[in-house]
Amino acid sequence: EVQLLQSGGGLVQPGGSLRLSCAASGFTFSSFAMSWVRQAPGKGLEWVSPISGSGDSTHYADSVKGRFTISRDNSKNILYLQMNSLRAEDTAVYYCAKDRSPEVGAAAGAFDYWGQGTLVTVSS
Amino acid sequence: SYVLTQAPSVSVAPGQTARITCGGNNIESKNVHWYQQKPGQAPVLVVYDDSDRPSGIPERFSGSNAGNTATLTISRVEAGDEADYYCQVWDISSEHYVFGTGTKVTVL
Repeated sequence: EVQLLQSGGGLVQPGGSLRLSCAASGFTFSSFAMSWVRQAPGKGLEWVSPISGSGDSTHYADSVKGRFTISRDNSKNILYLQMNSLRAEDTAVYYCAKDRSPEVGAAAGAFDYWGQGTLVTVSS
Repeated sequence: SYVLTQAPSVSVAPGQTARITCGGNNIESKNVHWYQQKPGQAPVLVVYDDSDRPSGIPERFSGSNAGNTATLTISRVEAGDEADYYCQVWDISSEHYVFGTGTKVTVL
């Protein structure tokens, strides 16, 4: 059974940092791309960042580029999102999601399994 | 950047057909994926690559994509289909995934 177990959310002050983790099990982790998607309270889904199965391809939404870093440890089956210089507008539930494809791009992007979500609140 | 436009809401009676549209420039050239999200829950993939269904998704859910509009069709709507629905594509020019604005489906 595929499982994505998230951890690392919480309350952080503006300008602070936080690292989210997503522990995967039930599938060959390195064979699939992964993504982070967020949802601000009462709002729609916003894609944040994907990473290919090998980890050599990453992309970022303009809203987080230069502040967030996605990475993965294929030996431990864990996906990460390092979030720096956090702003109030980063407040959201963050989801990790498994792609059906090992790559990022036009032939990929169908997220067939999702984590439970973790709330990040940026406030003083 | 590429924009996907969805109607904010759709209402449908039980047993009828709901059609949820996703508008984007030449969207037929892209692979469109659809997600269902119920309150307080993570999204669920219901259609991928325009018209394919993941295992476990009822045949009542189907998708199509032509011109500037992709459509998710829910046949024989049930009360349990009440949820928000989002479309998603990859925008090759910006190298971004893009989600639609979302459509709330209400079962009357």
